[in-house]
Amino acid sequence: EAGVTQSPTHLIKTRGQQATLRCSPISGHTSVYWYQQALGLGLQFLLWYDEGEERNRGNFPPRFSGRQFPNYSSELNVNALELEDSALYLCASSRGEGNSPLHFGNGTRLTVT
Amino acid sequence: TQLLEQSPQFLSIQEGENLTVYCNSSSVFSSLQWYRQEPGEGPVLLVTVVTGGEVKKLKRLTFQFGDARKDSSLHITAAQTGDTGLYLCAGVNTGNQFYFGTGTSLTVIP
Repeated sequence: EAGVTQSPTHLIKTRGQQATLRCSPISGHTSVYWYQQALGLGLQFLLWYDEGEERNRGNFPPRFSGRQFPNYSSELNVNALELEDSALYLCASSRGEGNSPLHFGNGTRLTVT
Repeated sequence: TQLLEQSPQFLSIQEGENLTVYCNSSSVFSSLQWYRQEPGEGPVLLVTVVTGGEVKKLKRLTFQFGDARKDSSLHITAAQTGDTGLYLCAGVNTGNQFYFGTGTSLTVIP
């Protein structure tokens, strides 16, 4: 089965611009999670979508937003980019059932200059 | 709020040595998962532990879930260079919310 795919793999933007990151989950997975990973360390939770609804969001400002489409793919939008938004953005999908593991994509590396 | 603390944050050891990584929380989880992430890739699931006190072995890796389901440990025996990577624990609550630990970056030197 095809894994989680994210696009683009790299994205370079200037401060103040907007960025759109995309994620296609594994077929049959209804939940999509977004994480920010800075400095190659821990994952900071951004957003969680399940069945098209936002289930939870992390402690990030409102300029981080997203949505999940009817085919369960998802989009993360970051408005008014700031230098500290530079990070690896990881998307993960799961079946949404108890204890189902997360399957991660390889991420989008966002660089804000 | 970071619910899961991992220690140590960085670990550099010689090939053949043993090591233990700890994942601690004050919260109870329905399950605890361990992931490994290699450079340029997303994290990959290693194991899921569900029952308090559960011990799972995956070749040279031994995972334990604390009796109270608040903490976990990962022990690697005779580390190899292929074990190098970032190890992440993740607690899962009954609502399927994932809480990731702070991460442990392991480097195994040949």
